[in-house]
Amino acid sequence: RKEVEQDPGPFNVPEGATVAFNCTYSNSASQSFFWYRQDCRKEPKLLMSVYSSGNEDGRFTAQLNRASQYISLLIRDSKLSDSATYLCVVNLYDRGSTLGRLYFGRGTQLTVWP
Amino acid sequence: ETGVTQTPRHLVMGMTNKKSLKCEQHLGHNAMYWYKQSAKKPLELMFVYSLEERVENNSVPSRFSPECPNSSHLFLHLHTLQPEDSALYLCASSPSGLRHEQYFGPGTRLTVT
Repeated sequence: RKEVEQDPGPFNVPEGATVAFNCTYSNSASQSFFWYRQDCRKEPKLLMSVYSSGNEDGRFTAQLNRASQYISLLIRDSKLSDSATYLCVVNLYDRGSTLGRLYFGRGTQLTVWP
Repeated sequence: ETGVTQTPRHLVMGMTNKKSLKCEQHLGHNAMYWYKQSAKKPLELMFVYSLEERVENNSVPSRFSPECPNSSHLFLHLHTLQPEDSALYLCASSPSGLRHEQYFGPGTRLTVT
């Protein structure tokens, strides 16, 4: 079973639309959660961390449901520049380790069209 | 952004060649990572270094050999690679600690012919 599962999409939406991505993770001991964005042929870049209480950064809202082991990302008022692949990332700590290890989903591809 | 740099950005090598990938981080982080990203697959963690000590090696073939001479530099030495090793190789760094994000370099796109 994969550690992190995402719907690969693609999602094709018009400018101004609201789009939501979902992600599930398999290990209940996972400690921290992130959404990364990866543009075509570029490196992943941190979009936002995901906190238990949910958090918002401008047009982006992230939610975490620990009981269901589910993470979501909501993008409101989509822009052309939001077109990218969105990676769901989970950090799992081994006992005695201070580093943890990031597990990446395959990513969800988003295309915003004019 | 120049937080994490990688050279070269593109590399084409034959199966009998020996080459090295270089990564440098200017963020004062204590941990560095090598990842492999192939088409249609999630990022695969290859190696982890913490304070210059290798703490994880994910069953990577011996034709990949990492080196971390100090906390700011990380190398990946390549020899006798196979065509299926063609991929984007990403370096990342992070501060040590229980809650951390990783910051990626731009990657080296490797083609093995």
